[in-house]
Amino acid sequence: NAGVTQTPKFRVLKTGQSMTLLCAQDMNHEYMYWYRQDPGMGLRLIHYSVGEGTTAKGEVPDGYNVSRLKKQNFLLGLESAAPSQTSVYFCASRWTGESAGYTFGSGTRLTVV
Amino acid sequence: DAKTTQPNSMESNEEEPVHLPCNHSTISGTDYIHWYRQLPSQGPEYVIHGLTSNVNNRMASLAIAEDRKSSTLILHRATLRDAAVYYCILRDPRTGNQFYFGTGTSLTVIP
Repeated sequence: NAGVTQTPKFRVLKTGQSMTLLCAQDMNHEYMYWYRQDPGMGLRLIHYSVGEGTTAKGEVPDGYNVSRLKKQNFLLGLESAAPSQTSVYFCASRWTGESAGYTFGSGTRLTVV
Repeated sequence: DAKTTQPNSMESNEEEPVHLPCNHSTISGTDYIHWYRQLPSQGPEYVIHGLTSNVNNRMASLAIAEDRKSSTLILHRATLRDAAVYYCILRDPRTGNQFYFGTGTSLTVIP
């Protein structure tokens, strides 16, 4: 049981480049989330999805796009990377119950130079 | 948003109990209280959650105030592996679909 898998684990981008972060879960969870975490700070929600084909904005959505074409995958895209997007990105998923908790991936460390 | 307030940092001696407080005065009647922890260089992991009654599991205990405006995560015997940032989180009442993480409490365990 892999849980939540994020790829890649590390990446260095040049300013203006684009990339896609992949999150895959094998628990048949409906809800998936993308968070970013900057040094010394808590997690901030970027985008989330409540089911296949749906997406919604979180606290800090600017500069990011997401897609949920398949239930098990949630993609986070950076169209034109900026140094301010240097961060650690975490994906999470959960089932639909009111008390359901999150399962997190191990993170993607992204550096934009 | 239903926000939580936690101390920035706490220290505990190894093998002693630790009480991590959380205030959530704007909690709604249906919000669950969740606790997660984040070990260095890892993603957050679930610790415990509850609604009204105190809860116990193999990792910790959760004590919830009668008015539900505060809660306390209890680690019965702190170990060095418990050194982490602990987050107290409520379900977002506007959407019911997302949690907001604050900055949490950084727990240092002293050998």
